[in-house]
Amino acid sequence: NAGVTQTPKFRVLKTGQSMTLLCAQDMNHEYMYWYRQDPGMGLRLIHYSVGEGTTAKGEVPDGYNVSRLKKQNFLLGLESAAPSQTSVYFCASSPLGLAGVFGPGTRLTVT
Amino acid sequence: KQEVTQIPAALSVPEGENLVLNCSFTDSAIYNLQWFRQDPGKGLTSLLLIQSSQREQTSGRLNASLDKSSGRSTLYIAASQPGDSATYLCAVRGTQGAQKLVFGQGTRLTINP
Repeated sequence: NAGVTQTPKFRVLKTGQSMTLLCAQDMNHEYMYWYRQDPGMGLRLIHYSVGEGTTAKGEVPDGYNVSRLKKQNFLLGLESAAPSQTSVYFCASSPLGLAGVFGPGTRLTVT
Repeated sequence: KQEVTQIPAALSVPEGENLVLNCSFTDSAIYNLQWFRQDPGKGLTSLLLIQSSQREQTSGRLNASLDKSSGRSTLYIAASQPGDSATYLCAVRGTQGAQKLVFGQGTRLTINP
């Protein structure tokens, strides 16, 4: 039981490049979330999913897209990276009404 | 819109002290509240989960209380140790839709030997 895993752990992008962050969970959780964490800002919700094939916008969705084609995977895409997207990205999953389980994070730098 | 506030932002105490971290939230319609620990450069580790119908939860030297009507939670750490040094985050889960977690900005705790 690996819990929540994130790929990659670190990435450096140039402005305008695109990339996809992968989140995988093996706990059969329905809900999955993508957060970003910035100094002094706490964790802010980017997008979330309440089940396979569903996605919805969170607090700071601009510049990101997501997909949940399989229940265990939640992908976060950056179409055209900007320096403002330099952050640490966390994925989380949870069953209905219970504790959230977080991945180890992806540290992204956009130059 | 739910807002979560943690006070203080940073706290430094000598080893062995008992301490309290505070979390307040603006909307009392919550499903549960979760306390996390985050070490520098690391992910979030769940410490305690309190359901909205509960008043407190305990795990070892940690005790978390919840007063939903007043929008407050406290995390009590007994007999603090240097290994307790970390950032502590509280998050509330809403009752609607996807039950999103809304986080406070955290309290950075330093325990001095």
